[in-house]
Parts: sequence; structure tokens; C-alpha cells
Amino acid sequence: EAQVTQNPRYLITVTGKKLTVTCSQNMNHEYMSWYRQDPGLGLRQIYYSMNVEVTDKGDVPEGYKVSRKEKRNFPLILESPSPNQTSLYFCASSSRGLIGEKLFFGSGTQLSVL
Amino acid sequence: AQSVTQPDIHITVSEGASLELRCNYSYGATPYLFWYVQSPGQGLQLLLKYFSGDTLVQGIKGFEAEFKRSQSSFNLRKPSVHWSDAAEYFCAVGAFAGNQFYFGTGTSLTVIP
Repeated sequence: EAQVTQNPRYLITVTGKKLTVTCSQNMNHEYMSWYRQDPGLGLRQIYYSMNVEVTDKGDVPEGYKVSRKEKRNFPLILESPSPNQTSLYFCASSSRGLIGEKLFFGSGTQLSVL
Repeated sequence: AQSVTQPDIHITVSEGASLELRCNYSYGATPYLFWYVQSPGQGLQLLLKYFSGDTLVQGIKGFEAEFKRSQSSFNLRKPSVHWSDAAEYFCAVGAFAGNQFYFGTGTSLTVIP
């Protein structure tokens, strides 16, 4: 089954403790992206990747890192999480860049930073 | 700058009634427009998309949307709402330059039996 898998679904952590949210897709998609969803703000793009070893900033990249060492994986790294990064995070992928193709979304990761 | 506005934060309709969700965009070139739906606890699912051609676009689950360039709008419609349509709906515009998506803030739909 074609899918985007995020882990974990729920995560509670404390300020400053490094964490990684994993994202994996099994559709051989070139394009992958991370979003955060906050009430009243909709979805905002954090980072995206057009292909392996190619990443770029979205609208809200501060405090986040990503890597794309393999085509299928696109982890989101919070080196020193802060409470303002408490949010619902979504990973998404598409086959050749978002234009012309729909995004496939993961089920989300609810992160709480205390 | 690109932006998407969904003026209705929350809409309540009765089951069987018609539905229209509003979306206005700001974009300098021909837009690529999308509607996504998010069911509780789920990721987003594409309902329909518009790139060019016929301005009335048909999507899944009986939804349709009409692109009106003069009004910079891309409103989503459904003739008869089902209880299972209760969800959050997001309009989005795709920017070719930068390969970025810009999402609206969403409209939450409640369906009354």
C-alpha cells in the first residue's frame, strides 16, 4: 500500500532535549516536505526536498533541521526544542515536485514541548 | 507574495443541504489550486485540483470547485452534504517558483443530522 509513514504519532518532551521525527515513503517519490499545523494558521511549510541531498527552507525553518540521505526518508530534527514548537507536524511527498502532482500526507505527529 | 484566504473559520450545515466553502488567493501568475480535506486524526487528502482548462473542476466524494480568475476565487461546492463530510477543508495554491505550497487557514465543517 502506498503510504507516508511518520513516527511517532505522539511525542511529549522537555525544552532543549534533541528529538527526531521520522518520515518514510514507499512510492519512490522525489519530493518530500514537512509542515506544521497550528490553530488559526493552517499548514506552514518548514522544509522541503526535491531529491536526495537537495533540501531547501520553507516559510518557517527556524529551529528545525532536515536531511535527505536516502530517497525514501526525510527526518525532521529539532536540535533544541522550545515550547513554541509545540504543534502538529505532517510529512508529505509527491512524485516530481508539487506542481502537477498531489501531495501524499502522513498521519501526523503531535508534539508537545514542556 | 502568495497567499490564500479562507474567510469562514467554521461552517455548520444540515445533512442533505448544499455546501459552498470560500477560497480567495493572491498570486502573480496563473495559479495551481487545490482543495484538501482533513478528517479527524488524519493527514490531508486531495479532493481536487485546477491547473488550466475548464474552470469547473470535479473531484472525489461528489465535490466540485470553480475557478474564477476575475474574483481570484476557487470555491468548493457540494450539492448535498453527507454526515461523513464533517472535516477540516484546506484550500492551497502551488507556486512553481520555489516548489512551495501555500495553505489557507482551513474551514471546519460540522454536519447536523
